[in-house]
Amino acid sequence: GESVGLHLPTLSVQEGDNSIINCAYSNSASDYFIWYKQESGKGPQFIIDIRSNMDKRQGQRVTVLLNKTVKHLSLQIAATQPGDSAVYFCAEYGTSYGKLTFGQGTILTVHP
Amino acid sequence: GAGVSQSPSNKVTEKGKDVELRCDPISGHTALYWYRQSLGQGLEFLIYFQGNSAPDKSGLPSDRFSAERTGGSVSTLTIQRTQQEDSAVYLCASSRNSPRAGGYNEQFFGPGTRLTVL
Repeated sequence: GESVGLHLPTLSVQEGDNSIINCAYSNSASDYFIWYKQESGKGPQFIIDIRSNMDKRQGQRVTVLLNKTVKHLSLQIAATQPGDSAVYFCAEYGTSYGKLTFGQGTILTVHP
Repeated sequence: GAGVSQSPSNKVTEKGKDVELRCDPISGHTALYWYRQSLGQGLEFLIYFQGNSAPDKSGLPSDRFSAERTGGSVSTLTIQRTQQEDSAVYLCASSRNSPRAGGYNEQFFGPGTRLTVL
């Protein structure tokens, strides 16, 4: 049955669609923001990062946008594939010993 | 090359017992982090090691939790007198260098240890 407390936002898309995953952060002093992908039974895997002095960064099929005015971060995945299905976390990288502060996470499900 | 490894992958214990969780970081990585992930939640920072010292223990939830690192490599997270609320996945990460102002050192995560306290 469904687990109590599992209230992560979910996003369902069709294969080939573009996906946008959003994240609000709290610490305006954070120097870097990172997106991680976590597949079932595995640890988080780095996707892309962006420094606080940038507003956009592109990788392979992924783009991260940073809006410091409203403390908002988004991850765009182009041509989403079934292998992209996972939980996606944003994280703030603090200058205090480099610890990561993670957001709640979003479950992305890609339907073939 | 080999990534971060953790053992055991699963641990079931009874309330009140002590448990030890092990992390083997990537060879040569000087920084090591422990995080906890409760069901359906994000990751929560526990402790950071630089070499064998732990300059930041601010995330340890209680004095039942402790961690050590020996030889600048393997780390052990110990939970004494486990409680049901300790049930979670415990994740370890390592990075090549110590954190530095204005820079980011990517943290590589292990697969985690799933702890269940009955």
